[in-house]
Amino acid sequence: GAVVSQHPSRVICKSGTSVKIECRSLDFQATTMFWYRQFPKQSLMLMATSNEGSKATYEQGVEKDKFLINHASLTLSTLTVTSAHPEDSSFYICSARDWTSGNYEQYFGPGTRLTVT
Amino acid sequence: KNEVEQSPQNLTAQEGEFITINCSYSVGISALHWLQQHPGGGIVSLFMLSSGKKKHGRLIATINIQEKHSSLHITASHPRDSAVYICAVYNTDKLIFGTGTRLQVFP
Repeated sequence: GAVVSQHPSRVICKSGTSVKIECRSLDFQATTMFWYRQFPKQSLMLMATSNEGSKATYEQGVEKDKFLINHASLTLSTLTVTSAHPEDSSFYICSARDWTSGNYEQYFGPGTRLTVT
Repeated sequence: KNEVEQSPQNLTAQEGEFITINCSYSVGISALHWLQQHPGGGIVSLFMLSSGKKKHGRLIATINIQEKHSSLHITASHPRDSAVYICAVYNTDKLIFGTGTRLQVFP
């Protein structure tokens, strides 16, 4: 099956710094990528949807200036958490969809655990 | 009320038991995913279905569109099946997730 990678898998940063998380589709072209956030023992919450070459669409309540998303190529999307605070500590997961496959199959990355101290 | 409800929330089983996890949804969907999330956090897609039944190894997924209900069955459960199982439905091109079912299988 299709593979989606995320980097880094785990990051610890100090409050006020920015962190960039990369999401790559390794063996297919991802026309659409999704970024999710997951708190302990809770379900995934969609943060934003990004389509290659266009601006991301953010879900209600998600600050676009705080969570910067770039989808510059068909295989790479990045999420930058700017001026991180302890409340941004969470598990961030990306997923990718290949629209050209003609179905709704969505492939998930392994996630990035962010801890802000 | 959540748009996607799963039951049970927690499930424990002895190795070898037959397991059923249920998912009910209240919105129109184009497809339904069953996902598996292990303690490390990574998510694996087990099935995507829009009608009928699919089988892969010891896993079987069924969906009844009229009743807005899907089930995931695990035959001959094994400790390595211990994970959180998540039902997610496609509605207006976005996935809506259930809250998950935490399964523990003991030897």
